[in-house]
Amino acid sequence: NAGVTQTPKFRILKIGQSMTLQCTQDMNHNYMYWYRQDPGMGLKLIYYSVGAGITDKGEVPNGYNVSRSTTEDFPLRLELAAPSQTSVYFCASSYLGGYNSPLHFGNGTRLTVT
Amino acid sequence: DAKTTQPTSMDCAEGRAANLPCNHSTISGNEYVYWYRQIHSQGPQYIIHGLKNNETNEMASLIITEDRKSSTLILPHATLRDTAVYYCIVRVENNDYKLSFGAGTTVTVRA
Repeated sequence: NAGVTQTPKFRILKIGQSMTLQCTQDMNHNYMYWYRQDPGMGLKLIYYSVGAGITDKGEVPNGYNVSRSTTEDFPLRLELAAPSQTSVYFCASSYLGGYNSPLHFGNGTRLTVT
Repeated sequence: DAKTTQPTSMDCAEGRAANLPCNHSTISGNEYVYWYRQIHSQGPQYIIHGLKNNETNEMASLIITEDRKSSTLILPHATLRDTAVYYCIVRVENNDYKLSFGAGTTVTVRA
């Protein structure tokens, strides 16, 4: 199993551009999550999904959108990139809800908005 | 709203046991305590979790106090590769899915 795969690893965007961060998992997990991590800080939950077709907001959803059309994929969309979205983005998945089974994380996408 | 409190940083000598404390005084009866670590800028890695009983796996041991208000992660023989940020987390606000990752404890293992 590849686990959780994120692409791209790095990206530089200009202010106002848009992009999609890709996340796919091959563990047949129902639950998927997007976190962001600013330098020296912990992780903040952006969005999460409990299954295909179901998504919900986390702590910091503004400026982002998600979709979950399949069990495997959970892309994160930035529509109008802003410098405040410069961060490292981590996707994760779990078999059950996050407090009841371990989260498996990807290796992140490092995004810079200038 | 179960939150955790961890020391900001700690040092440990290579080959010695590293004992990482965590306070979670508002934890509910059915909430697990989870430990993850993040090495450099990689994605966080699951270490261990427990509910009431002490747990051990190939990576670490988890000691949970009887009142469940605190726990200790033990790395029995720390190596330089154990240098990382360690997160102790529980569920947030009775939500089955949301986990809060605070700043964690930065552990530096020194030769």
